[in-house]
Amino acid sequence: GENVEQHPSTLSVQEGDSAVIKCTYSDSASNYFPWYKQELGKRPQLIIDIRSNVGEKKDQRIAVTLNKTAKHFSLHITETQPEDSAVYFCAASVNTGGTSYGKLTFGQGTILTVHP
Amino acid sequence: DAGVIQSPRHEVTEMGQEVTLRCKPISGHNSLFWYRQTMMRGLELLIYFNNNVPIDDSGMPEDRFSAKMPNASFSTLKIQPSEPRDSAVYFCASSLTGGYTFGSGTRLTVV
Repeated sequence: GENVEQHPSTLSVQEGDSAVIKCTYSDSASNYFPWYKQELGKRPQLIIDIRSNVGEKKDQRIAVTLNKTAKHFSLHITETQPEDSAVYFCAASVNTGGTSYGKLTFGQGTILTVHP
Repeated sequence: DAGVIQSPRHEVTEMGQEVTLRCKPISGHNSLFWYRQTMMRGLELLIYFNNNVPIDDSGMPEDRFSAKMPNASFSTLKIQPSEPRDSAVYFCASSLTGGYTFGSGTRLTVV
C-alpha cells in the first residue's frame, strides 16, 4: 500500500520567515495530495490540495508544489504568523474519478511553531 | 451545513465495556472514513465506506472493532470489549470530491 513520509517532524521559525514541509510517497498511482492543519485539540482541516495534473498551486501565503517523477510534494508558507502554529499533515490517495474517492494515507505530521 | 457530527465528544469507560462511537456525515457525501489518532501512531485509517458499503477494513486492529453504515446519514464504530490501549481520539470524516471534512472527534479513555 501507499506510504507517505513527512519531514521535518518539528519546525521552528521566526514570524515573517518562510516555512517548508516536504513529503514523499511510494505509490506512483497516487494522484491527489491534500494538506491539513490541526490546531491543538481540534480537528484536521483542509488548507490546500493539488492534483497530479498540475505542478504548483497557490492560495495567498500558502503554496504546494508537486514533482511526480520524484514522487514528492511540498508545502510552502510565506510570511509566517503566530497563528500558523499547528501540526501540518500531508496525505496522498488514488482517485479514480467520478464520485468515488479512495482513502488518504497521511504523513506523520510536522509541528510548526512560529515565534513572535 | 453543520459539518460532520460525531458523538460523544468524550467517553471514559472501564476496561471490558462496550463503546459505541457515532458519526453523521455531511449530506450528499458518499464516502465515510473512520480514523484513530494517537501521538505514537499518528492518523491511522480504520475503515472506509463508499455509498454505505465497506470498502477497506484492513486497518481495523482486531475483531474487537466493528463498524456499520446502515444508511447514508449514519455510521457507528463499536469496540467490544474495550482495552486501555484503545485510548485515542477517533475521527470520522466524509468526502465527495477527495478532500475530507473531519468531525470534531471522540476522545476515548479506557481505564
